[in-house]
Amino acid sequence: QVQLQESGPGLVKPSGTLSLTCAVSGGSISSSNWWSWVRQPPGMGLEWIGEIYHSGSTNYNPSLKSRVTISIDKSKNQFSLKLSSVTAADTAVYYCASLWGGGWFDPWGQGTLVTVSS
Amino acid sequence: QSVLTQPPSVSGAPGQRVTISCTGSSSNIGAGYDVNWYQQLPGTAPKLLIYVNINRPSGVPDRFSGSKSGTSASLAITGLQTEDEADYYCQSYDSSLSGSVFGGGTKLTVL
Repeated sequence: QVQLQESGPGLVKPSGTLSLTCAVSGGSISSSNWWSWVRQPPGMGLEWIGEIYHSGSTNYNPSLKSRVTISIDKSKNQFSLKLSSVTAADTAVYYCASLWGGGWFDPWGQGTLVTVSS
Repeated sequence: QSVLTQPPSVSGAPGQRVTISCTGSSSNIGAGYDVNWYQQLPGTAPKLLIYVNINRPSGVPDRFSGSKSGTSASLAITGLQTEDEADYYCQSYDSSLSGSVFGGGTKLTVL
């Protein structure tokens, strides 16, 4: 079955850019699913960041849209997240997940903690 | 403040039944969009528990069930077990945001 694995720096400086990659295994990133990012600040709830289709089409959370870019690399079967101008409020566990056409997320990656600090 | 509203916590004794509510609005659940539920055990990623309001993925016990009516949805857990202690999140689509929205999460304590 499909498995997802996030990777990237665990520490980013304020005003810098957070960059994460999600590797997809056990299935093709060119399938009919969308590929998503969700984050969870420490001790808080889940927040949808955005998603990308293999065609390159994207949808972003309006509250983050000006700072977010999600891209896809079909040759490597992976997709990526960039979040610019980060502050301490962007400190969170970042999850990648597969979004099915019916609107549910499954499976999820294990998550990676990104801390914004100088 | 989350778009979907859940109670912060619920509790029950082993063997009992609990329900977790998820209240939305006319731009999400009330507009007919489906509701999905996730279980997040401590220190782990969320796991799909219920999809499209009432469906259980393979491997999810039938002690877990979902329902939806109007602008709300509910997750019911019967025959509570200690391993059910977790955070539970509802999720739907919101037409105003043109994207997915989550509830704030409900912490289930099994007494």
